[in-house]
Parts: sequence; structure tokens; C-alpha cells
Amino acid sequence: GESVGLHLPTLSVQEGDNSIINCAYSNSASDYFIWYKQESGKGPQFIIDIRSNMDKRQGQRVTVLLNKTVKHLSLQIAATQPGDSAVYFCAETNMYSGGGADGLTFGKGTHLIIQP
Amino acid sequence: NAGVMQNPRHLVRRRGQEARLRCSPMKGHSHVYWYRQLPEEGLKFMVYLQKENIIDESGMPKERFSAEFPKEGPSILRIQQVVRGDSAAYFCASSPRTDAYGYTFGSGTRLTVV
Repeated sequence: GESVGLHLPTLSVQEGDNSIINCAYSNSASDYFIWYKQESGKGPQFIIDIRSNMDKRQGQRVTVLLNKTVKHLSLQIAATQPGDSAVYFCAETNMYSGGGADGLTFGKGTHLIIQP
Repeated sequence: NAGVMQNPRHLVRRRGQEARLRCSPMKGHSHVYWYRQLPEEGLKFMVYLQKENIIDESGMPKERFSAEFPKEGPSILRIQQVVRGDSAAYFCASSPRTDAYGYTFGSGTRLTVV
């Protein structure tokens, strides 16, 4: 089936800088997207989500951008901190696929490394 | 309000043995999803259950794997006659509704087959 992919497996940034993590998706029927953070030995933790009727959504220090034309999703983290070190996954689904069927489709992840 | 509870956190099984992974959803959540994560990869959907019903098992291997979510008690993912390729982290998520809103993951069970 179609899947979500990420451009870079590892991203290294200086502490205090902004981080941008990218994601490409191929299922044009997807209408709901979520970014997760996964620290070593833990389960995915919800960061922020966005529906396809929006282009941008902001949270605390995080912003998600959605470009439906090119099927591209990005996560921006402002003023990156050591605690932001983790693997970041984007996930997609179709909210109306019926009863949660198929679950979420995850990309492979980007490992964000914070340099002191 | 405890989160999604999975146990055991780590499970070691010899080839040919059975593995039982348990998941207790968040209070008020009646929808449970199981995912498998291989090293250095994203999570892959396995099965979606509601109380006493399997709604979608399109991601489950056809043999040796089964899942249940009984009226009382946790959801169980069962792997019979485990092989080395079953070694992975297995995550459970629960949700209060049929779509992905409010999805919450547990900390996972790391299965190692020796």
C-alpha cells in the first residue's frame, strides 16, 4: 500500500536553533496527519496534528505545515532543547475510512540530535 | 488517570514458544489498536479491536498471530510458535472514538526471540 516517507533519517542541530523535519506522503485520500515523538525505550508521544482543511497549525514551540499540492508535511521546532532529542514520526490516516480501519500509516522516522 | 498500560515491558521467548502481550486501555477508551515496530523503522498497524470484536485485522500475519479484547480484562496479542523474525517492539494504542483523535500509545512490549 501507499506509505508515508521521510526525507532524512538523521538531523543534527545546535541547541537553541530551529529544527525542521520533513515528511512526504503519497496517499491523496489521507486527511488527518499527526506528528509523534518517540524517545528511546518509550512509546510514541503525540506532538501535534493537522487536518487537511488547514495549511498550518501551531502549538507550544512547534508548528506543523501541510502542503497538499505536493503532499508534504513538516514539523518545525523552535529553539531546540536537549529534551527534544528523539525520533520523530509523521503518521497519516483517513478519518472517514470507517471505524478506524487500517489504523495510522507511519513513516520511518527522523532521528533528531541536539548538539550542545 | 493512568495511561495505556502494557505488560510485560520486556519478554524473552525461545523459538517455538508462545508469547502473550497484554494491553489495558485508558479509562473510558473502548478502541484498541496494536502496532509492531522493527528496529530503525516506523510502526506498522496490525489490528483494531473494540470490546469483544475484531474490527480490522488487515495488518496481522495470517498464521500464528491472534488478538482479542474481551468484555472484561485487557486486550491480548498472542503469538504462537515464535520465530526470530517476531522480535520487535509491540505497541498498543487506545482511543475513545472510532477515528484517530485522542489516540494514546502505551510504552510497548519488547519481544526478543532467542
